[in-house]
Amino acid sequence: QSVLTQPPSASGTPGQRVTISCSGSSSNIETNYVYWYQHFPGTAPKLLIYRDNQRPSGVPDRFSGSKSGTSASLAISGLRSGDEADFYCAAWDDRLSGRVFGTGTKVTVL
Amino acid sequence: QVQLVQSGAEVKKPGASVKVSCKASGYTFTSYDINWVRQATGQGLEWMGRMNPHSGNTAYAPKFQGRVTMTRNTSISTAYMDLTSLRSEDTAVYYCAAFHYYASGSFDYWGQGTLVTVSS
Repeated sequence: QSVLTQPPSASGTPGQRVTISCSGSSSNIETNYVYWYQHFPGTAPKLLIYRDNQRPSGVPDRFSGSKSGTSASLAISGLRSGDEADFYCAAWDDRLSGRVFGTGTKVTVL
Repeated sequence: QVQLVQSGAEVKKPGASVKVSCKASGYTFTSYDINWVRQATGQGLEWMGRMNPHSGNTAYAPKFQGRVTMTRNTSISTAYMDLTSLRSEDTAVYYCAAFHYYASGSFDYWGQGTLVTVSS
């Protein structure tokens, strides 16, 4: 039922760069800001990126966001074992008049 | 510091209702919408709706329209989410969250989550 599509998994070795995609449509990503969250099971999601590519205070610059058309991406550089988590994109959807989340991507550090 | 503290875990039977509370502190409660987001077992995050604590106005996701009611008590800075006609698929962790974004910063805070288990 998620409107935004992400790959179910992504992986890399420590120090590598991993990119997660988020595919949407003209009613969400193309016309509204994209947000990225890191979610460790049993805890509250943590905002990593807001307004497509802005980092909240305290989020390291290893995390970066970009957007083009109806797709967005989150890049994690200098991958660390502590980055293992689920990652979600989110955006406002004009057709649903509500926030929509991506399907989620589990990142594994090999 | 900003905190959203939710009520404890609930176990309900199919067909029953559940009411989850979310107490805000560390900011002006009426300044930002309270959103409710859930994560069913093995599933992703799902937005259920939002409420403006100042006006009480609400907007619900189509999927939950008719079954969810979001209210607040401004005197105690607390928001509530009431979900009726519970079924097993409603077993999930329910989060309240307040988010607002500026060109120069962000306000994005979540409660700790409330596990609601629906089981006969």
